[in-house]
Amino acid sequence: TQLLEQSPQFLSIQEGENLTVYCNSSSVFSSLQWYRQEPGEGPVLLVTVVTGGEVKKLKRLTFQFGDARKDSSLHITAAQPGDTGLYLCAGEGGGSNYKLTFGKGTLLTVNP
Amino acid sequence: EPEVTQTPSHQVTQMGQEVILRCVPISNHLYFYWYRQILGQKVEFLVSFYNNEISEKSEIFDDQFSVERPDGSNFTLKIRSTKLEDSAMYFCASTGTGALEAFFGQGTRLTVV
Repeated sequence: TQLLEQSPQFLSIQEGENLTVYCNSSSVFSSLQWYRQEPGEGPVLLVTVVTGGEVKKLKRLTFQFGDARKDSSLHITAAQPGDTGLYLCAGEGGGSNYKLTFGKGTLLTVNP
Repeated sequence: EPEVTQTPSHQVTQMGQEVILRCVPISNHLYFYWYRQILGQKVEFLVSFYNNEISEKSEIFDDQFSVERPDGSNFTLKIRSTKLEDSAMYFCASTGTGALEAFFGQGTRLTVV
């Protein structure tokens, strides 16, 4: 069974601070996706990383896939209150049906 | 922008009743999924569907659950006899060729009373 551990579970910071959240596993994933989920809504895809060591940037968000494709990180620079939300990582294990295994998420609160 | 749509957004049902949750995946996508999220817990895989048949299902997806693609656009999840523990958000998702990116619907909040 593939598991993804996200840390920290909760993070509360002030506007303008930088932060990093982590997604770790003992399993190798073919790809890893980061989502953001608002209360009562579905996960919204932010980025997909596929290659070990890959780095992708989305404005102030930087995503990295570990060299061994077992872990990933999301770094936010100069956080804003609009960044508040639940950040989920989800790994695709390489099977023929592309199902996702989700972590529990990091609930980020950015205070003005 | 194409999106996955789900109906209804909320469903309240009595224990033992049958419910059907409906989804319209993105039109050129090939793989379809149902996931669920019990309040406060992580999103869990239920079932994947490809080429008009189930390609994988989880332990949660027992005989009470079934999926169907009755026409070229809809994808449904049926729970035959609902239990209290079926109360959750149910998300439909779809992926296209290459299947690298899964797009999720807004979800159906199912409450079994």
